[in-house]
Amino acid sequence: AQTVTQSQPEMSVQEAETVTLSCTYDTSESDYYLFWYKQPPSRQMILVIRQEAYKQQNATENRFSVNFQKAAKSFSLKISDSQLGDAAMYFCAYRGPGGSQGNLIFGKGTKLSVKP
Amino acid sequence: DTGVSQNPRHKITKRGQNVTFRCDPISEHNRLYWYRQTLGQGPEFLTYFQNEAQLEKSRLLSDRFSAERPKGSFSTLEIQRTEQGDSAMYLCASSPPGDTQYFGPGTRLTVL
Repeated sequence: AQTVTQSQPEMSVQEAETVTLSCTYDTSESDYYLFWYKQPPSRQMILVIRQEAYKQQNATENRFSVNFQKAAKSFSLKISDSQLGDAAMYFCAYRGPGGSQGNLIFGKGTKLSVKP
Repeated sequence: DTGVSQNPRHKITKRGQNVTFRCDPISEHNRLYWYRQTLGQGPEFLTYFQNEAQLEKSRLLSDRFSAERPKGSFSTLEIQRTEQGDSAMYLCASSPPGDTQYFGPGTRLTVL
């Protein structure tokens, strides 16, 4: 069975600084998808970034980028120039191959605090 | 706004009562998912629809839970004879085939 592990329950970063959130996963599949979702307090979960396993290039979305290490089954999220609005729970999620049912498997999350 | 919507946003009920939640997906999305999220945890998969067909149910979905998606549009999740352990956030997500899931705001259930 696939699993997703986020080993950092809480992280803190100074405004304008850079922070990296860790995620590891376990799967026997070679084709899959990885996601980072952000869940602000009392607000809905929104997609931050997505990575297809067959792509070697790391995904980037503005201040957000990932370090995808397929052999190590590692998928970390880097947030550059942190802003107060980045404070939230961040969840790493795995989805199986395109032909599968497609449900997401989530880690337990990392609570990110941003200090002014 | 044409995002995923869920109603009600909050539901407080007494143990033993039945509750029903509704999810309206993004209109062109044929896949619909239900997840449950308890405090301090990531969401856990409950069930999945492709159009009107319920194709997968998690072992978390006991026989007190039932979900429907008539005509492949909105979906309902019903919990019968609620228990305190059912207290959680119930999340709905929709997606086109094989693509990113977009989440609704969730329904927070409190069972007293």
